[in-house]
Amino acid sequence: QVQLVESGGGLVKPGGSLRLSCAASGFTFGDYYMSWIRQAPGKGLEWVSYISSSASTIYYADSVKGRFTISRDNPKNSLYLQMNSLRAEDSAVYYCARLLVRAFDIWGQGTMVTVSS
Amino acid sequence: EIVMTQSPATLSVSPGERATLSCRASQSVSSNLAWYQQKPGQAPRLLIYGASTRATGIPARFSGSGSGTEFTLTISSLQSGDFAVYYCQQYNNWPPLTFGGGTKVEIK
Repeated sequence: QVQLVESGGGLVKPGGSLRLSCAASGFTFGDYYMSWIRQAPGKGLEWVSYISSSASTIYYADSVKGRFTISRDNPKNSLYLQMNSLRAEDSAVYYCARLLVRAFDIWGQGTMVTVSS
Repeated sequence: EIVMTQSPATLSVSPGERATLSCRASQSVSSNLAWYQQKPGQAPRLLIYGASTRATGIPARFSGSGSGTEFTLTISSLQSGDFAVYYCQQYNNWPPLTFGGGTKVEIK
């Protein structure tokens, strides 16, 4: 079945780094645009980053620009988010999601990132 | 950046009743609007895209309407599994892709 599975979350100190991964299965990963979206505890959804199918177009939210890097490996059916210079306000559940006409039609279960000393 | 505002923040509805949720955009987003449902501890689920097109597998009791700056999600007869938080999201002018703050539909 169509599935996205995130991994790589955890506890990290402020200023630290973390790399999230998202493994796709059940569909032709390389045909789809992908995004990362996050949700702080008890809060709403915040779009983080977008990558086109060939990685030729990449966008970031202002809140993470210059600190986060999105990438993908189509032969490995994988999406990544490299997060550097992490702050307390980056603490959230991070979801990877597939885009259908710029709406997110498939979501992973999420991976929790906690930034705390 | 387009700001999405949802109302009310909380909606108390009895099972079997109709629920009407609103989403307003700070500027026109045409019909480039989606609705999601999120239950506690779960990822969001796409319900509606293109303002009124139901996603695959979504029951007909969910319907979306509107265009421009005013949108509505209607749940015609609430079932127990429909009590959740609902988010709207615009994808007309981006980046950034922006979400509303959510409406919690609770049991009355």
